[in-house]
Amino acid sequence: AQTVTQSQPEMSVQEAETVTLSCTYDTSESNYYLFWYKQPPSRQMILVIRQEAYKQQNATENRFSVNFQKAAKSFSLKISDSQLGDTAMYFCAFMNRDDKIIFGKGTRLHILP
Amino acid sequence: GAVVSQHPSRVICKSGTSVKIECRSLDFQATTMFWYRQFPKQSLMLMATSNEGSKATYEQGVEKDKFLINHASLTLSTLTVTSAHPEDSSFYICSARDKRGPYEQYFGPGTRLTVT
Repeated sequence: AQTVTQSQPEMSVQEAETVTLSCTYDTSESNYYLFWYKQPPSRQMILVIRQEAYKQQNATENRFSVNFQKAAKSFSLKISDSQLGDTAMYFCAFMNRDDKIIFGKGTRLHILP
Repeated sequence: GAVVSQHPSRVICKSGTSVKIECRSLDFQATTMFWYRQFPKQSLMLMATSNEGSKATYEQGVEKDKFLINHASLTLSTLTVTSAHPEDSSFYICSARDKRGPYEQYFGPGTRLTVT
């Protein structure tokens, strides 16, 4: 079975600091997509960053970057210069060949002023 | 950008009644739509996959007779919760896959269902 594991239920960091959220996954597929989604209190799911498994280069979107280790099946998210608006629930997600997205349990991130 | 809407955003219904939730892709065609359920402080759990013009496929443990899904057009999928019970109270989220893209899915804002 394909699974996504987020080992940090909750984290808090000071504004402007850098924070890394961990994620591991399990799959036997070789081609797949990985995502980090943000869910603020409004509960609207917002795509933060995506990574295609066939690409070795780590994806980057402004202050957000990932460390993708395919062999280790690890996909961590780094948020640089964290801002108060980054406070949210963050879900790591895996999309399989059937386009089904499997979510981790989430990490609740608090950015402290 | 691609927008997915859901209607209603909130609904309260009495136990035993049915309620319909709509999911629309506003500016793109969606060959596939997905329905998720999210309990408070929990993750999203995929309930079913809805393909235009065909029957939905349900995840293991999801009662297809209770959660009726119809995908009548490339822009609309509906989820009907039949004979709702308080334990069906939850946050329901849909996502739509853009027909043109290789993988992109866009999420609706969700519908909060409360069954009294």
